[in-house]
Amino acid sequence: QVQLQESGPGLVKPSETLSLTCNISGGYISGSISEYEWIWMRQPPGKGLEWIGYISFTGSTNYNPSLKSRVTISVVTSKNQISLMLSSVTAADTAVYYCARGSSVDSWGQGTLVTVSS
Amino acid sequence: QAVVTQEPSVTVSPGGTVTLTCGSSIGAVTSGHHSYWFQQKSGQAPRTLIYATSNKHSWTPARFSGSLLGGKAALTLSGAQPEDEADYYCLLSYSGTGVFGGGTKLTVL
Repeated sequence: QVQLQESGPGLVKPSETLSLTCNISGGYISGSISEYEWIWMRQPPGKGLEWIGYISFTGSTNYNPSLKSRVTISVVTSKNQISLMLSSVTAADTAVYYCARGSSVDSWGQGTLVTVSS
Repeated sequence: QAVVTQEPSVTVSPGGTVTLTCGSSIGAVTSGHHSYWFQQKSGQAPRTLIYATSNKHSWTPARFSGSLLGGKAALTLSGAQPEDEADYYCLLSYSGTGVFGGGTKLTVL
């Protein structure tokens, strides 16, 4: 059973870059990274979910058009991690960030709260 | 970008049946949108109930089903239980780009 765990700074200053990782454990690790697509989503406090983007098993990416200019998703195979970077953050980027696996979205991380504040 | 619409809130009686819908601002929802349904209980991460319109995961209670209905994606709950009280989100894929609906707060009362 694969487990996903988001990690990263809980506080980021405005205009800086938010950097999160999704750590993958359990199950068939080495195959898992390269066999699935990996998705990032977020949820501002008290609000609904927002799709950020995904990276496919081929390495191709697809991003939310409203975030596309600021977001990068990548795979760090050697560390069994999926990376999310979001540049030039503002208070509107304050949210719980989730990673999830696969086109069937069969696994979710528990989420990590990132607050953007000076 | 498309706007995905859901009922803001719905109430169902215990044991009752309810259908939540998910519409697209740019036309009918089809199987090509690979619609998803997620359940989120208070203070918890979401979990996936339905993917690709009507497919269930092993953990999806049998009382939940997904379909296309009247140009929308639909989640039907037959025999509502108190533990089904939660927020429900749909997600549609537009050529690989996902768009969430605003969510439906389901009350079992």
